[in-house]
Amino acid sequence: GEDVEQSLFLSVREGDSSVINCTYTDSSSTYLYWYKQEPGAGLQLLTYIFSNMDMKQDQRLTVLLNKKDKHLSLRIADTQTGDSAIYFCAEIPPGGDSWGKLQFGAGTQVVVTP
Amino acid sequence: DAGITQSPRHKVTETGTPVTLRCHQTENHRYMYWYRQDPGHGLRLIHYSYGVKDTDKGEVSDGYSVSRSKTEDFLLTLESATSSQTSVYFCAIGKGGVTDTQYFGPGTRLTVL
Repeated sequence: GEDVEQSLFLSVREGDSSVINCTYTDSSSTYLYWYKQEPGAGLQLLTYIFSNMDMKQDQRLTVLLNKKDKHLSLRIADTQTGDSAIYFCAEIPPGGDSWGKLQFGAGTQVVVTP
Repeated sequence: DAGITQSPRHKVTETGTPVTLRCHQTENHRYMYWYRQDPGHGLRLIHYSYGVKDTDKGEVSDGYSVSRSKTEDFLLTLESATSSQTSVYFCAIGKGGVTDTQYFGPGTRLTVL
């Protein structure tokens, strides 16, 4: 089951900012990821953040990490219709046998309206 | 898709039949993974491989087996398919290392009637 939690749906107007939220399971998780899935396609890595960072910016994408609250967010500036997709938050939990085993949230469906 | 192909892309089969899905990579990555994607569940890890003939179970491994006889191929087998195994299956590859960024294939949609 999902220990990584995300809201399931977000509607946003073209040109506005989108914020997708995620809560993860373990404050010791070292790496946290955002993946994007367009209809009928596999997952594409958007960005990741190390746990020793609070923020990471990459063009229109800003990732914010609040370790105290185990909260991760992805902000997309100037949202475009091509940003319509499902966005997955994922973590690699700590532990010797967890390495490489991504834990995904259920995904947030983002719909961009004109 | 980072040099990852999956075959078949779509399959319809009947309960009780064996099914094998293939993942092929041209990136020479050491790690390969099989996930299933179901509505409301995100992706869940079935099995993974950390080298030729080296495999281990993931979160939802019951009813599935895997094999990796070559670096480039990772096979997922359903010995006797059940309707609960109707899903979209994704293969992923990774180099390993600190971040282990995983790259995903296009997926196989499997329907078990």
